[in-house]
Amino acid sequence: GAGVSQSPRYKVAKRGQDVALRCDPISGHVSLFWYQQALGQGPEFLTYFQNEAQLDKSGLPSDRFFAERPEGSVSTLKIQRTQQEDSAVYLCASSLVNLAGNTGELFFGEGSRLTVL
Amino acid sequence: GENVEQHPSTLSVQEGDSAVIKCTYSDSASNYFPWYKQELGKRPQLIIDIRSNVGEKKDQRIAVTLNKTAKHFSLHITETQPEDSAVYFCAASGGGQGAQKLVFGQGTRLTINP
Repeated sequence: GAGVSQSPRYKVAKRGQDVALRCDPISGHVSLFWYQQALGQGPEFLTYFQNEAQLDKSGLPSDRFFAERPEGSVSTLKIQRTQQEDSAVYLCASSLVNLAGNTGELFFGEGSRLTVL
Repeated sequence: GENVEQHPSTLSVQEGDSAVIKCTYSDSASNYFPWYKQELGKRPQLIIDIRSNVGEKKDQRIAVTLNKTAKHFSLHITETQPEDSAVYFCAASGGGQGAQKLVFGQGTRLTINP
């Protein structure tokens, strides 16, 4: 399809396990974002890539969270030693960077719902 | 960094009436203000956006107004319909080092009563 694709859609992990969430952005979109959305809350920024460069990771809650986009397309968000407070929907979004370099429309994926038991 | 406050958290209106959702932001350098609609279990989708060089933008039944001096912006939905029921999020971006990320409000759950 032409939209942002995320997998898995649902992930149940035992506390302490490592998880990896994948995002396949819209072809040609240079900007890629990861957001965390807790139940009943707005999306919270985690990290931002422009092509393969991670330009902002100020929202990553701890060093257990790691994101990469090695070839400037597909991105993976990895959470090590998961804890119950990591339970949330992880949204990936991509966008074109307009000529002014400012944020354009973000196209979101359906999200990966992580439940840590 | 940017902080976005949104209210009300829930809003219930009769079908055909208007709905207004308000947001305030803290970073005067922010220059892009989108609104996203999220239906239950679905992805957020952009419904309208405004940049800081205009004060109002309209698209059919939806309008957004921006007051840069007061640092607040609002979403107006007229002639509401049942399919407008969803959670709506405002967001802001464009300020300095935060220019490439959107900061979202907490969301407003809008219910349209038939």
